[in-house]
Amino acid sequence: KNQVEQSPQSLIILEGKNCTLQCNYTVSPFSNLRWYKQDTGRGPVSLTIMTFSENTKSNGRYTATLDADTKQSSLHITASQLSDSASYICVVSRETSYDKVIFGPGTSLSVIP
Amino acid sequence: GAGVSQSPSNKVTEKGKDVELRCDPISGHTALYWYRQSLGQGLEFLIYFQGNSAPDKSGLPSDRFSAERTGGSVSTLTIQRTQQEDSAVYLCASSPSVNGQPQHFGDGTRLSIL
Repeated sequence: KNQVEQSPQSLIILEGKNCTLQCNYTVSPFSNLRWYKQDTGRGPVSLTIMTFSENTKSNGRYTATLDADTKQSSLHITASQLSDSASYICVVSRETSYDKVIFGPGTSLSVIP
Repeated sequence: GAGVSQSPSNKVTEKGKDVELRCDPISGHTALYWYRQSLGQGLEFLIYFQGNSAPDKSGLPSDRFSAERTGGSVSTLTIQRTQQEDSAVYLCASSPSVNGQPQHFGDGTRLSIL
């Protein structure tokens, strides 16, 4: 069964600290993996997209990693800011079905002063 | 506008009524998607439009749900005889093509069925 799991479900960190969010997937055949940030009351916004051959991709203070062998991805946030408080969603696309993507349940991150 | 626009942003209606949700995708984007996001849940795929091809309706939960896309641009999602379990945020997304492109999301319509 094609699934995307994320951990932790929620996380609270102090402003300025780093954190890492995890994504495990069983989607096959794999096409690409994306991380989205969803602020409360807003639609998701793409942070990074990674294909099979990419191991690391950065977008400012966000760094995503992908291990296609173990089917795991992580999103590392450096020097967190209050504005990083949001839900982070891992999304995986199947190679044979680009048009349909499988969304993880998200990790709710709260950054507190 | 520059982004995906959805209307209304909020809709409250009584059980049994019909509702129509609207999505204006980014100009030139050929792919359009509808998703449903229930509280604390991941996004659930509903329907997908790609150019002039027949839409992929495989995610629609029942025959009370339908969607159309006129002229390859604006899309409407219609829910007939609404039920309380239809309460959710309905998100629309568009992308310039299918393969590898990130989807650009609107801010959704929050639907509440009383």
